Amino acid sequence: AQKITQTQPGMFVQEKEAVTLDCTYDTSDPSYGLFWYKQPSSGEMIFLIYQGSYDQQNATEGRYSLNFQKARKSANLVISASQLGDSAMYFCAMRDVVTDSWGKLQFGAGTQVVVTP
Amino acid sequence: GAVVSQHPSWVICKSGTSVKIECRSLDFQATTMFWYRQFPKQSLMLMATSNEGSKATYEQGVEKDKFLINHASLTLSTLTVTSAHPEDSSFYICSAKPSGGEDTQYFGPGTRLTVL
Repeated sequence: AQKITQTQPGMFVQEKEAVTLDCTYDTSDPSYGLFWYKQPSSGEMIFLIYQGSYDQQNATEGRYSLNFQKARKSANLVISASQLGDSAMYFCAMRDVVTDSWGKLQFGAGTQVVVTP
Repeated sequence: GAVVSQHPSWVICKSGTSVKIECRSLDFQATTMFWYRQFPKQSLMLMATSNEGSKATYEQGVEKDKFLINHASLTLSTLTVTSAHPEDSSFYICSAKPSGGEDTQYFGPGTRLTVL
């Protein structure tokens, strides 16, 4: 069953604007981790941000912030002040801590972001 | 820090041959590494979990005899695609999880395999 859902297959965003990428998840595990990765056209997966299920505050890393709404099971990524170099595929991923001791990640389908001048 | 390399970055081979892909964590030790496969315009599909010094654990539907994984050291895991066929053509990505307990996985740059 699909545990990570990214409903936006693609988005256009204007340079310098903010963009929100949606991610919802499904788990019965009380402890889990949520991740966002960026994949440019070159293919490498770049780690952006991490949110633990017990973290009280929303994670932030530079222009990236994670809007974590635990009750709604959503972990949206917000990119502020978009740059042309932000054009890429973005993946949301989750790790169930209790049921998986190795740290396997389950990925969403991804959202293609295109930043326009 | 947290750099993972893969070699080769791309490979073209004839049908029926075997191809070995290396995944190395360059500046950290990784007890656990993961191998993913990605088709164009699709998400990453986990193939197997590789633990140093033990047998890999394969996801359902992944043929362990076709995709041989060896994790001989804390910095190296290899994936060998045996008797490759055109349907094995794909983008193969590895990731490594630092041994210190950090939850984040760091990914290699990927290997594009084309089987003719």
